[in-house]
Amino acid sequence: EVQLVESGGGLIQPGGSLRLSCAASGFTVSSNYMTWVRQAPGKGLEWVSIIYSGGGTYYADSVKGRFTISRDYSKNTLYLQMNSLRAEDTAVYYCARGLPSYYGSAHPVDDWGQGTLVTVSS
Amino acid sequence: QSALTQPASVSGSPGQSITISCTGTSSDVGGYNYVSWYQQHPGKAPKLMIYDVSNRPSGVSTRFSGSKSDNTASLTISGLQAEDEADYYCSSYTRRSTLEVFGGGTKVSVL
Repeated sequence: EVQLVESGGGLIQPGGSLRLSCAASGFTVSSNYMTWVRQAPGKGLEWVSIIYSGGGTYYADSVKGRFTISRDYSKNTLYLQMNSLRAEDTAVYYCARGLPSYYGSAHPVDDWGQGTLVTVSS
Repeated sequence: QSALTQPASVSGSPGQSITISCTGTSSDVGGYNYVSWYQQHPGKAPKLMIYDVSNRPSGVSTRFSGSKSDNTASLTISGLQAEDEADYYCSSYTRRSTLEVFGGGTKVSVL
């Protein structure tokens, strides 16, 4: 069974840093693309970042230069390093796995974690 | 403001069919057959319901179907059930970015 468990969220002051983790089981994090999606309180969804099986990464303009996506094969874990945090980064952050055996140009995601809340406030 | 436009709310009675629209431009919805739909119940993670306009992932009910015409994609829920009450988000590939864009979401209410 595929399972994704996020951790690392919490309350952080503006300008601070946090690292989110997404522990995966039932599959290998490097076997498909993996994404981070966030949702501000009471708001809609926003794509944050993606990492491909080959290692390529992309970011939303709103986080480019501040966030870094990565993965650890030995721990089968996806990460999101978040620096220079701003109030507008406050959201629930979800990690999600790409749809297996999908070879189109989009990035539908089929398995999601439960989310971890990041609150940026002084 | 979201890149894709969805109605804020849609409602229907049990057993009825409803359709949620998702309007973009020729740079996203209209230019590619890469629209996905996600269902999200309160306090829960989203769930993929449709990808590539009209494909259903394994396990998704056949009551959910997707289509597209020009710059507008649509999600139809037939035989509406109480469990279908949730927020629905469309997402589309866009040539303006590697990452897709979401719609603002539609709250579906079952009367």
